[in-house]
Amino acid sequence: ETGVTQTPRHLVMGMTNKKSLKCEQHLGHNAMYWYKQSAKKPLELMFVYNFKEQTENNSVPSRFSPECPNSSHLFLHLHTLQPEDSALYLCASSPGTGGETQYFGPGTRLLVL
Amino acid sequence: EDQVTQSPEALRLQEGESSSLNCSYTVSGLRGLFWYRQDPGKGPEFLFTLYSAGEEKEKERLKATLTKKESFLHITAPKPEDSATYLCAVQAGTDKLIFGTGTRLQVFP
Repeated sequence: ETGVTQTPRHLVMGMTNKKSLKCEQHLGHNAMYWYKQSAKKPLELMFVYNFKEQTENNSVPSRFSPECPNSSHLFLHLHTLQPEDSALYLCASSPGTGGETQYFGPGTRLLVL
Repeated sequence: EDQVTQSPEALRLQEGESSSLNCSYTVSGLRGLFWYRQDPGKGPEFLFTLYSAGEEKEKERLKATLTKKESFLHITAPKPEDSATYLCAVQAGTDKLIFGTGTRLQVFP
């Protein structure tokens, strides 16, 4: 495996379900990110982790809970989501956070019914 | 407030018809400007990073330039496979990348 991988690629869940998104990077980077991409809107940064420590939480509702056990893995735990949370969720990584290039995974397409 | 504006929103070109995409930004303390290409249903694919005014980078039919207020992505003699959404993003004084809404490019044979 190379680059940034995400699983699952597609997810359908009800508003009462609990699910998790997984991201893994094989680039030896120290920083990882979660973004949300909705139709007709710019990518929205959700969370930033640098050396496993959360450095940014962009006012994200508590129904989204990130977890970063090590510099290579990042999770996004989902519970009691709303239909408006349906979107493409993208993971990215970069060597550090000081103006360095971020490399994105393929995303998870989430549909909340 | 840091802001990124991309224009046009959509662009239709004939194969071989060169053009430019614009990314205007207002940030305090630019640390980097990034161009990405995104195909439908996929994650953004990195193209270029520019750090200072006057910098230029090229890759195949694409050339990115940077001034103190904007960046251009020039596409020379485009092919249908260049059809995608092109995203611009800037990083200022924090860890955040601020993205524009993108330019959707369609190149017809």
